[in-house]
Amino acid sequence: ETGVTQTPRHLVMGMTNKKSLKCEQHLGHNAMYWYKQSAKKPLELMFVYNFKEQTENNSVPSRFSPECPNSSHLFLHLHTLQPEDSALYLCASSRETNPSSYNEQFFGPGTRLTVL
Amino acid sequence: AQSVSQHNHHVILSEAASLELGCNYSYGGTVNLFWYVQYPGQHLQLLLKYFSGDPLVKGIKGFEAEFIKSKFSFNLRKPSVQWSDTAEYFCARSLHNNNDMRFGAGTRLTVKP
Repeated sequence: ETGVTQTPRHLVMGMTNKKSLKCEQHLGHNAMYWYKQSAKKPLELMFVYNFKEQTENNSVPSRFSPECPNSSHLFLHLHTLQPEDSALYLCASSRETNPSSYNEQFFGPGTRLTVL
Repeated sequence: AQSVSQHNHHVILSEAASLELGCNYSYGGTVNLFWYVQYPGQHLQLLLKYFSGDPLVKGIKGFEAEFIKSKFSFNLRKPSVQWSDTAEYFCARSLHNNNDMRFGAGTRLTVKP
């Protein structure tokens, strides 16, 4: 248990559906991240929020829409996804985005997403 | 070009064998380096990290890694593996002035009892 929870753990959706992934951290951190983990590929950083402000968007398609209402919660809204978007979506948090010895990222268990 | 390369996709060892997993990064400036482990069905967790100072870093569970700047490498080592070390291992780097974390594709380690 890392203090970062994600719901749902598994999600199956059609290409026309709209769904949201939720991440919550109980660590008092100020930075939160979304990553995509596909089989046999490196983890891909998708979005970074620092103090509720988005600081990174690594060329992610607009069918993925993040929302960070406060430093403890992060959402990933999904709409009109493609089958190739099927992957494990990981959330992480750290004290802030400025890297230092104390800014280790803590990961949640992930949401396994399948797009039919 | 890939930012972090892990040379082995799958490594199979017997218990008590020594382990070395390769990791190379491609960036000429100052980097921070990490090894994460993902046990079956569990979340990613940090094994060890290098920010500065002694290039030989010791982590949890008997793991260590050595930063060799001239080789752009940060290989993970353990002198004697156990069955419980079966997991996927990810090398990662972030840049010194931001937290753009790049991961390698991972190395799956299977330790046979």
